[in-house]
Amino acid sequence: GNSVTQMEGPVTLSEEAFLTINCTYTATGYPSLFWYVQYPGEGLQLLLKATKADDKGSNKGFEATYRKETTSFHLEKGSVQVSDSAVYFCALSDALNTGFQKLVFGTGTRLLVSP
Amino acid sequence: GAGVSQSPSNKVTEKGKDVELRCDPISGHTALYWYRQSLGQGLEFLIYFQGNSAPDKSGLPSDRFSAERTGGSVSTLTIQRTQQEDSAVYLCASTSRHLYGYTFGSGTRLTVV
Repeated sequence: GNSVTQMEGPVTLSEEAFLTINCTYTATGYPSLFWYVQYPGEGLQLLLKATKADDKGSNKGFEATYRKETTSFHLEKGSVQVSDSAVYFCALSDALNTGFQKLVFGTGTRLLVSP
Repeated sequence: GAGVSQSPSNKVTEKGKDVELRCDPISGHTALYWYRQSLGQGLEFLIYFQGNSAPDKSGLPSDRFSAERTGGSVSTLTIQRTQQEDSAVYLCASTSRHLYGYTFGSGTRLTVV
């Protein structure tokens, strides 16, 4: 079945450092790919998405490019802030025959940014 | 409502008791999903509703788990005879046909003692 693998955390960085969180996937067909973020005490929020190969999703300074050849969707940010400290989840869509999608999530990567 | 609302936010229950978790999705969102987030684990899919029917309940871990949705709106996840391994955060999400991605609620943290 479809699955997502992401790097284990925690990832600990100083403010203004460069961030990469690796995500690779296994899927049949052409899934859409997502990054969700969970801030402390809050629910998951959609951070960015890409729906086809070579698409780049971006939001709040974060970027991820859908690489079909390497089955990857790595999350990057050029300069992290303390407020970026959260758990980041990579996910792919698993299409249902109803036209809706079921998201398959990775285990999450905790990011800790220190001043 | 403005967002997906879940209640209670925290629930502590004794092993063997039944619990009900409630999800109130965004008005107009026809699809509703339940996920479980265990400590150190990713999000585990439990069940999906389209309207009041559940085309995919493949993730329910045992027959102690059931869910229903009424009026195409509120959903209730029921766990009977709770066990310690049921302790987790139960997340609800909703979406409409025209949108990608889900809107998640803040979850219910269930602790079985």
